[in-house]
Amino acid sequence: AQTVTQSQPEMSVQEAETVTLSCTYDTSESNYYLFWYKQPPSRQMILVIRQEAYKQQNATENRFSVNFQKAAKSFSLKISDSQLGDTAMYFCAFMNRDDKIIFGKGTRLHILP
Amino acid sequence: SQTIHQWPATLVQPVGSPLSLECTVEGTSNPNLYWYRQAAGRGLQLLFYSVGIGQISSEVPQNLSASRPQDRQFILSSKKLLLSDSGFYLCAWSSGLNTEAFFGQGTRLTVV
Repeated sequence: AQTVTQSQPEMSVQEAETVTLSCTYDTSESNYYLFWYKQPPSRQMILVIRQEAYKQQNATENRFSVNFQKAAKSFSLKISDSQLGDTAMYFCAFMNRDDKIIFGKGTRLHILP
Repeated sequence: SQTIHQWPATLVQPVGSPLSLECTVEGTSNPNLYWYRQAAGRGLQLLFYSVGIGQISSEVPQNLSASRPQDRQFILSSKKLLLSDSGFYLCAWSSGLNTEAFFGQGTRLTVV
């Protein structure tokens, strides 16, 4: 079965610091997609970044970037120059070839002033 | 542009009562549709997903069922709610072709 594991239930960092959220996954497929979603207190799910498994280049979106290690099945999210508005629950997600999307249990991130 | 509507936003139901949560998508055709449940402070559990009318995959055997009566409509149901059915229910859609999912606003269900 395909699984997504986020080993950090909760993290806290000071504003302007850099933080890395970990994610590992398990699959036997070679082509798939990975995502990071943000869920602020409003509970609205917001896509942060996506990565296609066939692309070796790590995706970046402004202050957000990923470290995708396909062989290790690792997909970490780095947030640079963290801001108070980054406080949220962050979910790593995996989409397989059948368009099934599985989420990890999430990491609750607190940005401290 | 595409939009997703999910209702109601909040629901309090007694144990043993039926449930019907509705989700509709506008501005696209033949979307993939998903139902997730999020227990308090926990991750998203995939309940059902559908890649077309009449095609619904059940991921977790439990007290819930899903139907897709129309291309852009996805309904989550239960005949008799349990206390353990309480949670935050999220509907989502994707266009397939390995694109990301877009989520509705969610329904907070409390079974009392």
